[in-house]
Parts: sequence; C-alpha cells; structure tokens
Amino acid sequence: AQKVTQAQTEISVVEKEDVTLDCVYETRDTTYYLFWYKQPPSGELVFLIRRNSFDEQNEISGRYSWNFQKSTSSFNFTITASQVVDSAVYFCALSETGGYNKLIFGAGTRLAVHP
Amino acid sequence: DGGITQSPKYLFRKEGQNVTLSCEQNLNHDAMYWYRQDPGQGLRLIYYSQIVNDFQKGDIAEGYSVSREKKESFPLTVTSAQKNPTAFYLCASSPGPREQPQHFGDGTRLSIL
Repeated sequence: AQKVTQAQTEISVVEKEDVTLDCVYETRDTTYYLFWYKQPPSGELVFLIRRNSFDEQNEISGRYSWNFQKSTSSFNFTITASQVVDSAVYFCALSETGGYNKLIFGAGTRLAVHP
Repeated sequence: DGGITQSPKYLFRKEGQNVTLSCEQNLNHDAMYWYRQDPGQGLRLIYYSQIVNDFQKGDIAEGYSVSREKKESFPLTVTSAQKNPTAFYLCASSPGPREQPQHFGDGTRLSIL
C-alpha cells in the first residue's frame, strides 16, 4: 500500500532558525512523483515542488531546499532562516499509480515561526 | 487571473438538508477533484473527474454526490446521508497526467447547525 508519513505534527521555531520538515513515503512503484504543498491560514494549498523518482538531485529555491533520498524513501524539506510568513501547515504528497492523478497526502506538519 | 473559485467560503447545514458546494476553474484543466480535510489530518479524496460527464468515487464518497456537466465546473453535494459533514472542503484541478501538480481553491468550511 502507498503511504506518506509526516511524523512531526507541530514544530515551533524562532525567526531566523533553520527548520527541516520530514517526509517518509512507501510505494512499490518504480515511477512515482512526490510533492510539497503549503497551506497558510487562509486555507488554500500552494504547490511548492514536484520531484520524480528518477531525479535524486537536491533542489534549492531561495530559502527553501529539498533533499530526496530513494535509499531511505525520504523527501525532506528545509527552510533556511525562517520567517514569520513561513508559518503554515506543510503537506507532503505521493502520486499514486494508476491512470489518473491521485495524491496520497501525509497528515501535515504545522510550522509556527515566532518573532 | 487563472484559478479555482470555491463558494461559499462558509456554509451551515441543518439536519436532513442537502447542501451544494461550488467549484469553478478557468485553467482549462481536464481533471478536477474534491477533498475533505479534518483537523490534524491530511486531505482525503471524495470524488474526482478526468473528463466532462465522467467522475469516479474516491476514498470517502459515501454521503456525497457530484456532477461534471461542464469542463469548468465540478459541484459537490453533501447529502443528508453524510452523518459527519463538518469539515473543510477543498476543490482542485490539474491538466491530467500524474506528474502535473494539482491547483487548489480557497476551500469551503461546512458546519452543522
């Protein structure tokens, strides 16, 4: 069965600290896609990144970086020098096998960044 | 601006009443989805549609119904058979293929009176 685990329910940091959000996934597929979404207090989910199973290169976008390791089935997300605006719930998701684009979501990690 | 519009933002349901949540997209996406989000939980798929006039049940379809008469619109009806409808409902769309990210609306929060 396919599954996404985000073991950290809530994380609280002070501004400018670095923070890593963990994501562990389970799948039997050899081809799959992983996503991170941000859900600010307003409610909508904002797409952050997509990674396919054949691309293990780490990616950096400004203060955000992602570490994809197939050997440990992990796709972790790091925010460097966190800011108050980073406060949100972050979801990791796995695209399931099949003819359509079904996402399996983790339970989410609530990040609170304090001034 | 292209995007997904959900309405209303807040909705209250009385016992035994059906209510309909609206979802409209102008992204020209083929696929649309409805998710339910409960506190402290991830999103669970209610229904999805890959093309007009076709839709499929997701993981928690009982007590819900949908229609897809137009490409732009995918309304969700929460029927009286759904005994625990209080939740945050999110609509999404995507071009279709697995590798394409889904785009989400702002959500509708449904509560029981």
